[in-house]
Amino acid sequence: QVQLQESGPGLVKPSQTLSLTCAVSGDSINSGYYYWNWIRQPAGETLEWIGRVSPTGITNYNPSLQSRVTISLDTSKNHFSLKLRSVTAADTAVYYCARGDLAYWGQGTLVTVSS
Amino acid sequence: DIQMTQSPSSLSASVGDRVTITCQASQDISNYLNWFQQKPGKAPKLLIYDASNLETGVPSRFSGSGSGTHFTFTISSLQPEDIATFYCQQYDNLPRTFGQGTKVEIK
Repeated sequence: QVQLQESGPGLVKPSQTLSLTCAVSGDSINSGYYYWNWIRQPAGETLEWIGRVSPTGITNYNPSLQSRVTISLDTSKNHFSLKLRSVTAADTAVYYCARGDLAYWGQGTLVTVSS
Repeated sequence: DIQMTQSPSSLSASVGDRVTITCQASQDISNYLNWFQQKPGKAPKLLIYDASNLETGVPSRFSGSGSGTHFTFTISSLQPEDIATFYCQQYDNLPRTFGQGTKVEIK
């Protein structure tokens, strides 16, 4: 059974960096088949794709966030990470990690940007 | 970016009713379309992939059709546990994009 679990601070100050990790179990992130995604959802709004990382570490980002985002793999821990720099209140959302086919998602973690 | 336009934004139907949601893509996406169900406080759940293929374990009352730019999602007989917001999502191009969602309620 594939499971994903997000972790990281629930509160980030404006202008700082949001950092989240997604721990994967039941699948290997460098198995060579699936990309690994980050997706977010502000309260009451639709879902926004942030970006993805391939099993070999190749990344693709949403152009709307590209200048501020980094997604990376840690194969030794079987997890992948999200860093979003220079955050503002507009980055307040539930952040999800998901496998490339979007058949498996983490439960989501609320990140609030506030001083 | 490919824009995904869902309609209606919300609907109210009775138990047992047939419910239909449409999703229009701003350009041809072939059949690279997912449908998700999201209940409050939960992650989205994949129901349909490749526009018409039912994900394993998903009840057969859910179905999808379409290709190109016009897609349809149907619940053949609405059940109380189906109350949720439904989203379409294209995976033909990057960035991946989602529709605005359709909230389904019981009348």
